[in-house]
This record gives sequence, C-alpha cells and structure tokens, in this order.
Amino acid sequence: EDQVTQSPEALRLQEGESSSLNCSYTVSGLRGLFWYRQDPGKGPEFLFTLYSAGEEKEKERLKATLTKKESFLHITAPKPEDSATYLCAVANTGGFKTIFGAGTRLFVKA
Amino acid sequence: NAGVTQTPKFRVLKTGQSMTLLCAQDMNHEYMYWYRQDPGMGLRLIHYSVGEGTTAKGEVPDGYNVSRLKKQNFLLGLESAAPSQTSVYFCASSYDLSTGNHQQPQHFGDGTRLSIL
Repeated sequence: EDQVTQSPEALRLQEGESSSLNCSYTVSGLRGLFWYRQDPGKGPEFLFTLYSAGEEKEKERLKATLTKKESFLHITAPKPEDSATYLCAVANTGGFKTIFGAGTRLFVKA
Repeated sequence: NAGVTQTPKFRVLKTGQSMTLLCAQDMNHEYMYWYRQDPGMGLRLIHYSVGEGTTAKGEVPDGYNVSRLKKQNFLLGLESAAPSQTSVYFCASSYDLSTGNHQQPQHFGDGTRLSIL
C-alpha cells in the first residue's frame, strides 16, 4: 500500500537556524513527489515537484532533494515568514491519485 | 486569475441536514478532487473526477456524493450530515491537456470549514 510519513510532526527553530524536514515514502511506482506549503486557514500551495532519485530543486531558502525512499526539504537560514505546515505527497504510476503525508508544522522564532 | 474557488467558506449544520459544497476552477484542468483534512491525519481523498461527466471513489467516500456536469465545476454533497463529517474540505484541480504532462501538481482552493452539531 502506498504510504507517506513525514517527520518531525513539529519543528521549532530560531531565525537563521538551518534544518531539514523528512518525507519517507513507499509507492509501487513513483510518478512524482510534491512539496506544498500550507498557511493557517489556507489551502496548500505548491512548492516543488521531484521525479527521480538524485533530483534537487531550490527556491529561495528552500531546497528539496529525492532518494529512492525519502525526500528532504532543507531550510537554510529560515525567517519567521517561513513558519507554516509543509506537506509532502506522492503520485504513483498506477492511477490519478496523490497520497499526502500528515505534514510538518514549522515554527521560526525571531 | 482566480484559480480554484470554493463556496461557502464556513458552514454549520445540524445532524441529518444536507448541503452541497461548490468548487470552481478557471484553469481548464481535466482532473478535480475533493479532500477532507483533519488534525494529525493529513489530506484524505473523498472523490475525484478525471473529466466532465466522470467521477470515482477515493479513500473515504462513504456519506458523500459528487457530480461534475461541467468541466469547471465539481460539487460535493452531504445527504445526511453526521458529526464525524466535521472537517475542513479542500477542492483541488490539475492537468492541463495542452501540456501533455500528467505529473502536474494540484492547485487547491482555500477550503470550506464545516461543523456538524
């Protein structure tokens, strides 16, 4: 069964303190792995798509990487405005569905 | 460009009442989805549609019905609301045929917060 597990559930950082969020997945055939950001009271906002092991994508202070079993979202020198819930999701080759993880809530304190 | 619009944003129902949630997208997307989001459980797929006139069951379809009579609209119905259906409901859409890329991310609305007493 396709599954996505994110860790930690919550992460508290000081401004400027770099860290990583983990997304472990099992899927019959990976069509794509997605990272989203979700702010309170809003819908998820797309950040990155990764398609194959070894691929990396960057956007401002965020960098996403992918291996055959997991993905990391690295946050470099975070700012308070980076505080949000980060969701990981995988789409398999067998259909139209996307499986979401429960998310990591990130808090960045000034 | 509005993207994905959900109405209403908030609603309180009594057990046994019915209602319809409306989702509209203006991106000419083929696929549309309804999810529910509960604390600690992530997004769970209720129903989805891969084109006008088609619908399919997701992970948690019981107690819900859907219709996609027009490409841009996807309706989610609760025939007899139960307290267990208290949740935040998100609609999403994806896949522009003209790109030929099935691995497109989903675009989400801002949700409908539904409480059932």
